[in-house]
Amino acid sequence: EAGVTQFPSHSVIEKGQTVTLRCDPISGHDNLYWYRRVMGKEIKFLLHFVKESKQDESGMPNNRFLAERTGGTYSTLKVQPAELEDSGVYFCASSQRAEVGEQYFGPGTRLTVL
Amino acid sequence: AQSVTQPDIHITVSEGASLELRCNYSYGATPYLFWYVQSPGQGLQLLLKYFSGDTLVQGIKGFEAEFKRSQSSFNLRKPSVHWSDAAEYFCAAFTGNQFYFGTGTSLTVIP
Repeated sequence: EAGVTQFPSHSVIEKGQTVTLRCDPISGHDNLYWYRRVMGKEIKFLLHFVKESKQDESGMPNNRFLAERTGGTYSTLKVQPAELEDSGVYFCASSQRAEVGEQYFGPGTRLTVL
Repeated sequence: AQSVTQPDIHITVSEGASLELRCNYSYGATPYLFWYVQSPGQGLQLLLKYFSGDTLVQGIKGFEAEFKRSQSSFNLRKPSVHWSDAAEYFCAAFTGNQFYFGTGTSLTVIP
């Protein structure tokens, strides 16, 4: 069974540009999560989808970030326009049961904003 | 506020030596506790988890962790480290709706 995949693995963009990150969860997992790790800091929760609905988006830093999960399968996270402080590693995770926290993580997308 | 603390940013151990990575959490109740490992280019891999019951939990790759309620700790241990254990380790607490991660401990293994 394939794990959680993320694309791209790395992205380098200039301040003001737009970037879209993609996450493909494990097949059959209704729950999909986005996290971000800024260098040297902890991994922080961004948001949680249940199928195509946003269950919790309390961790989204501001309205420059837009997450979607059309059809309840893969998800995208768009940053527009990107700022320097958006640099970091963006992780995606998926799970079958949200209440026990057993989430499977992807390898992350390293975003560098110059 | 909920938080997880990993006081050691970086640890170096010799191959074959024992290892202990520290983790403390701050939460009103006992959360579910996890240790994850991330090797270069890989995703976070679950090593072990504690939900309730026996406070000493066994995980994969020969790791174990002990939950100590009195110290709000969940330290990760391995009796004999292998070179392939070099990676970054994350402690995390799950409170029922969100994960709270520590800042990670980077482990270097020297011959």
